Amino acid sequence: LQLQASGPGLVKSSETLSLTCTVSGGSISSTNSHWVWIRQPPGKGLEWIGTVFYRGNTNYSPSLQGRLSLLVDTSKNQLSLRLYSVTAADTAVYFCARRTGDFGYFFDPWSQGTLVTVSS
Amino acid sequence: SYVLTQPPSVSVALGQTARITCGGNNLGSKSVHWYQQRPGQAPVLVVYDDSDRPSGIPERISGSEGGNTATLTISRVEAGDEADYYCQVWDSNSDHPAVFGGGTQLTIL
Repeated sequence: LQLQASGPGLVKSSETLSLTCTVSGGSISSTNSHWVWIRQPPGKGLEWIGTVFYRGNTNYSPSLQGRLSLLVDTSKNQLSLRLYSVTAADTAVYFCARRTGDFGYFFDPWSQGTLVTVSS
Repeated sequence: SYVLTQPPSVSVALGQTARITCGGNNLGSKSVHWYQQRPGQAPVLVVYDDSDRPSGIPERISGSEGGNTATLTISRVEAGDEADYYCQVWDSNSDHPAVFGGGTQLTIL
């Protein structure tokens, strides 16, 4: 299974950030498939953004609730992220990953990161 | 929300053993997972469910847990082990269920 994240490298402040994650080597809608987005500001640690189930159910980080939308397109085997009204604080490398596990969920595999810079 | 605490940095001589800790309240009741992130790369899962290794991860990388602390141990460290390491748990009772430690930078001397 491989994931590839993509999107514009530069977004203007107050606009909408849109990213896509293409899944290959497996179906995005396989049994109990959950997918996550995680971001990493430059020089900082990892931050979970949200989780999306292949049927469309979502769970968002409280800090982004109201600005975030995670979607699944099963026909294209793709995930998408939309973050509205971005600010400089949203500048980060964004990753998508599969959530898996039985006793406590973890993330594997990950996409390569895609850097998004919010400019004023 | 739940907090995981890691030392910011650990240094170890080439060929020696590195130990990276991850602390959290009642951590023993949760499954701890570890990721390695080399510079400019995506994180890679190296240990899951406290002590299991994914296929392809060498046996000299191991995980353990006791009380409120989980430990990632890397034996016979190599230059390629120099990276940032993150612990992670899933807190099902939280509205922010995925929790990462702050990360530990491992330096090989």
